[in-house]
Amino acid sequence: RKEVEQDPGPFNVPEGATVAFNCTYSNSASQSFFWYRQDCRKEPKLLMSVYSSGNEDGRFTAQLNRASQYISLLIRDSKLSDSATYLCVVNMALTGGGNKLTFGTGTQLKVEL
Amino acid sequence: GEEVAQTPKHLVRGEGQKAKLYCAPIKGHSYVFWYQQVLKNEFKFLISFQNENVFDETGMPKERFSAKCLPNSPCSLEIQATKLEDSAVYFCASSQYNVYEQYFGPGTRLTVT
Repeated sequence: RKEVEQDPGPFNVPEGATVAFNCTYSNSASQSFFWYRQDCRKEPKLLMSVYSSGNEDGRFTAQLNRASQYISLLIRDSKLSDSATYLCVVNMALTGGGNKLTFGTGTQLKVEL
Repeated sequence: GEEVAQTPKHLVRGEGQKAKLYCAPIKGHSYVFWYQQVLKNEFKFLISFQNENVFDETGMPKERFSAKCLPNSPCSLEIQATKLEDSAVYFCASSQYNVYEQYFGPGTRLTVT
């Protein structure tokens, strides 16, 4: 089982639609959680950090369920410019101390006219 | 600076040649991370530094890869005797603290022919 799992998609949605992505992680000791977006092999850009049960930023809402070990990202009123790959990223505690970011393989979103 | 800077943008090397990549973290960030991204958005963690000290090198192929972060110099990632499978985009990221958000540079695309 992968440490961070995402549905690869692609999700093809019309402009204005609401779309939700889910992500599950295997390490219950994970400390922090992030959603990044990546466009066309450019660098990942931080979209949202999720430190508590969730947070909202405009059209984007992220939720964290520690008991079930999953994180979700909801995009409302999707726009053409939202088309990208969305990466679920988990900061995992290492058994020997320290932490590392572990990436999901990403979910591709295509917003269409 | 306020962004992570990486040079060069593109690097082409013949098999067996050396490749050296550079990264300047965001000013004030103590942690630097190197990642390798090959096909299908698979990010592989290579190594991290806390200032000039190696923090976590569990992802580094020991034989041909090395990295340094020296005071007052860009960090570097060096690959001796490159192989075809080293072709990838290498991203550098920096963070103020180990468990917080990481900010990525634009990446160096290495092509080994």
